[in-house]
Amino acid sequence: AQSVTQPDIHITVSEGASLELRCNYSYGATPYLFWYVQSPGQGLQLLLKYFSGDTLVQGIKGFEAEFKRSQSSFNLRKPSVHWSDAAEYFCAVGAKNQAGTALIFGKGTTLSVSS
Amino acid sequence: DGGITQSPKYLFRKEGQNVTLSCEQNLNHDAMYWYRQDPGQGLRLIYYSQIVNDFQKGDIAEGYSVSREKKESFPLTVTSAQKNPTAFYLCASSIRGYGGQETQYFGPGTRLLVL
Repeated sequence: AQSVTQPDIHITVSEGASLELRCNYSYGATPYLFWYVQSPGQGLQLLLKYFSGDTLVQGIKGFEAEFKRSQSSFNLRKPSVHWSDAAEYFCAVGAKNQAGTALIFGKGTTLSVSS
Repeated sequence: DGGITQSPKYLFRKEGQNVTLSCEQNLNHDAMYWYRQDPGQGLRLIYYSQIVNDFQKGDIAEGYSVSREKKESFPLTVTSAQKNPTAFYLCASSIRGYGGQETQYFGPGTRLLVL
């Protein structure tokens, strides 16, 4: 069955330090992969996506992610975290079927930023 | 401004009552989706629609109903059969690109509370 695992429920990072959020997926075909960010009480904002091609993708707000097929992973990284990055982050895989594409989400990782 | 709007921001439901959540988009997107978000659970798909007058059940459709009479509108009704409706509800829309690639964009959400 298709699934997405985000192993870390909560991560705390010092401001200015680097960040890596982990995401592992289970999907039979070539996946479409996404990272979204959610501030409290808000909708989801798309950070970046991977469909094909270059396995290192750049997104908004200085984020990047690397698709590693051999590890079934799509980890999100940022070289220097800002206090405004504190939020909940969701990894998702696009599950294609005859009716279209639906997203399967991980349970999210909450990022706290300490000063 | 182009985007996805959801109303109301907060909704209160009494026992045995049906309530309807509104979702409107002016992005000319073909597909629309409803997700339910519970703390620590990520997002789960309720219903989705690829074209007008057609929709499919997602993973947790029981106790919910939808309609798609217009391309820009996809209202969700939470019926009295849904015994645990308290959650944050998110609407999304997408347009199908080359090769069937889709990116979903989200509205700001509606928080449903039971009185």
